[in-house]
Amino acid sequence: GAGVSQSPSNKVTEKGKDVELRCDPISGHTALYWYRQSLGQGLEFLIYFQGNSAPDKSGLPSDRFSAERTGGSVSTLTIQRTQQEDSAVYLCASSLGQLNTIYFGEGSWLTVV
Amino acid sequence: QKEVEQDPGPLSVPEGAIVSLNCTYSNSAFQYFMWYRQYSRKGPELLMYTYSSGNKEDGRFTAQVDKSSKYISLFIRDSQPSDSATYLCAPSYNQGGKLIFGQGTELSVKP
Repeated sequence: GAGVSQSPSNKVTEKGKDVELRCDPISGHTALYWYRQSLGQGLEFLIYFQGNSAPDKSGLPSDRFSAERTGGSVSTLTIQRTQQEDSAVYLCASSLGQLNTIYFGEGSWLTVV
Repeated sequence: QKEVEQDPGPLSVPEGAIVSLNCTYSNSAFQYFMWYRQYSRKGPELLMYTYSSGNKEDGRFTAQVDKSSKYISLFIRDSQPSDSATYLCAPSYNQGGKLIFGQGTELSVKP
């Protein structure tokens, strides 16, 4: 695929359930990022991966949020015990390296009811 | 004070108008100044960036940076309905890495 691929594109879940969001970065991109965009808010940084390591996870809002990356490629963002305030668009992005231009996917739209 | 401030709009202009979008930032160490464009229900895409102070032109778009006042601008000439989108500024240490975005300005260009 040419771009960053995210799934699911839309997810409606009940409060208290766990959700997993998947990101498949551009082939060869070593850096991967997760951002969150809430209604009326800008993009909020969550976590950054270089390879399989996460040197910066300072934006994760609580311990209900976790992310992993395997094989230097696909990443999964997991939200446990979802709350209504978790409703947002979760955007994944990748870049060739930390100093290079970032390319975003189209996002996973999460609604917690 | 937020690290990056941007008027969220919405901003509505007639087709052909000159549009001015602005951001202020607080970190004087920022060297790269990115503008991303985000269409409705799509991910942001890099529109253009400048390095340090000065102007950069790309077609109908001009990015301007004044580091002394920590003020960045994006000008759109001869605006088109296809320019209707949210424009996000992102000043940074690098082109990549952890980016701090402004809130985004929603622009609507009416035919």
